[in-house]
Amino acid sequence: GQNIDQPTEMTATEGAIVQINCTYQTSGFNGLFWYQQHAGEAPTFLSYNVLDGLEEKGRFSSFLSRSKGYSYLLLKELQMKDSASYLCAAYSLMDSNYQLIWGAGTKLIIKP
Amino acid sequence: KAGVTQTPRYLIKTRGQQVTLSCSPISGHRSVSWYQQTPGQGLQFLFEYFSETQRNKGNFPGRFSGRQFSNSRSEMNVSTLELGDSALYLCASSPDRGPGQPQHFGDGTRLSIL
Repeated sequence: GQNIDQPTEMTATEGAIVQINCTYQTSGFNGLFWYQQHAGEAPTFLSYNVLDGLEEKGRFSSFLSRSKGYSYLLLKELQMKDSASYLCAAYSLMDSNYQLIWGAGTKLIIKP
Repeated sequence: KAGVTQTPRYLIKTRGQQVTLSCSPISGHRSVSWYQQTPGQGLQFLFEYFSETQRNKGNFPGRFSGRQFSNSRSEMNVSTLELGDSALYLCASSPDRGPGQPQHFGDGTRLSIL
C-alpha cells in the first residue's frame, strides 16, 4: 500500500537546528515535496527532491534517499516564525495516474 | 500575480444539506486539485481537474463531486452532508499536470456541519 510517516510533533529552541524525518512506501515513486503550513493558513511550497542527495535553500535543506524511502527537512538557525506544521508528500503512480500522497504533518514548536 | 482564491472562507451547514465551494486558480494554471484536511489526518486527495476534465480521483464517496470551467475555475459540491464532512477544504493549482509541478494552495474553506 501507499504510506507516508512523519513524527506528529517536535519541539526545538530558537537558534538551534532541527531535522524532521519522513519515510514513505509508495509505488512508482517520482519525487517528494516539503510544504510549510502555519496555523489557519494555506500550505506553502518549500522544496522538491527527485534525485538522491541534499538540496540547500537558505536556512532550509531537504534530503532524499530513494533506496531507503527516506527524506528529511533540516531547518537551521531556528526563528520563532518557523513554528508551523511541515508536510511531506510523495508522488506515487496509482491506476496509471500520478497522485500526491501526503503525510499527516509534523507540528514544530519553537521555544525561546 | 494573484494567488489561489477560495470562497467562501467559512461555511456552516446542517446534516442533509448540500454545499458548493469555489476555487479560482492562479492565472495561467490549468490543473486544479481539491483536498480535505482534518486534524491528524493530513491532506486527503479528492480529485484533480485539467482542461475541464476530471483526471484523477481519490477515495471519497460519490456525494463529493466537482467540475472545472473553461477559464480553469473549479467548483466542488458535497451533497447530503454528514457530520464527518466537517473539515478544511483546500484547493491547489499548478501550471500543468504531473510530477514536479509544485501545487499552490488557497487559504481553504472551513466547513462546519451541525
